[in-house]
Amino acid sequence: RKEVEQDPGPFNVPEGATVAFNCTYSNSASQSFFWYRQDCRKEPKLLMSVYSSGNEDGRFTAQLNRASQYISLLIRDSKLSDSATYLCVVNFNNDMRFGAGTRLTVKP
Amino acid sequence: DVKVTQSSRYLVKRTGEKVFLECVQDMDHENMFWYRQDPGLGLRLIYFSYDVKMKEKGDIPEGYSVSREKKERFSLILESASTNQTSMYLCASSQTGSNQPQHFGDGTRLSIL
Repeated sequence: RKEVEQDPGPFNVPEGATVAFNCTYSNSASQSFFWYRQDCRKEPKLLMSVYSSGNEDGRFTAQLNRASQYISLLIRDSKLSDSATYLCVVNFNNDMRFGAGTRLTVKP
Repeated sequence: DVKVTQSSRYLVKRTGEKVFLECVQDMDHENMFWYRQDPGLGLRLIYFSYDVKMKEKGDIPEGYSVSREKKERFSLILESASTNQTSMYLCASSQTGSNQPQHFGDGTRLSIL
């Protein structure tokens, strides 16, 4: 079993749609969690940290479910510029584990 | 803003050459990392360093070495390049602490012919 698993997609959604991605992790002692965004042929960039109580940043909402060992990312009112690959990252003792990413395409 | 700079965006080398990839960060971060990213495999950790002159193997260190002589600089060395080392190489840095995210450089797309 992979340490961090994501549905690779692609998710193709129309502008304005709401889309959600899940990511599961295998290490129950994982300490911190992040979502990164990666555009084609570019480096990953931090989108948001994921806090235990859940957190929101504009149109983006991240949630953590420790009991079921997954994190989620919800994007509301999708924009064309949201098209990218979204990487789930799980950290244990400074050992960061990256998912392979979920590809999102937002279409006009 | 954190700035992580990699020396080259694109590099083409020949099989058997010794290849140096350089990475510099300007935020006084203790931790630095080298990854490679291949389609369908995600990011795989090659080596990392928590301090000057200190290095630790990641998941795929074979065929690579690293050097950290100064806090801001972390070099990746391909001792004798092979075609299966053609990849996107990403350097990252972070502060110490389990809730600290990593910040990435632009990446170096390396082709070994």
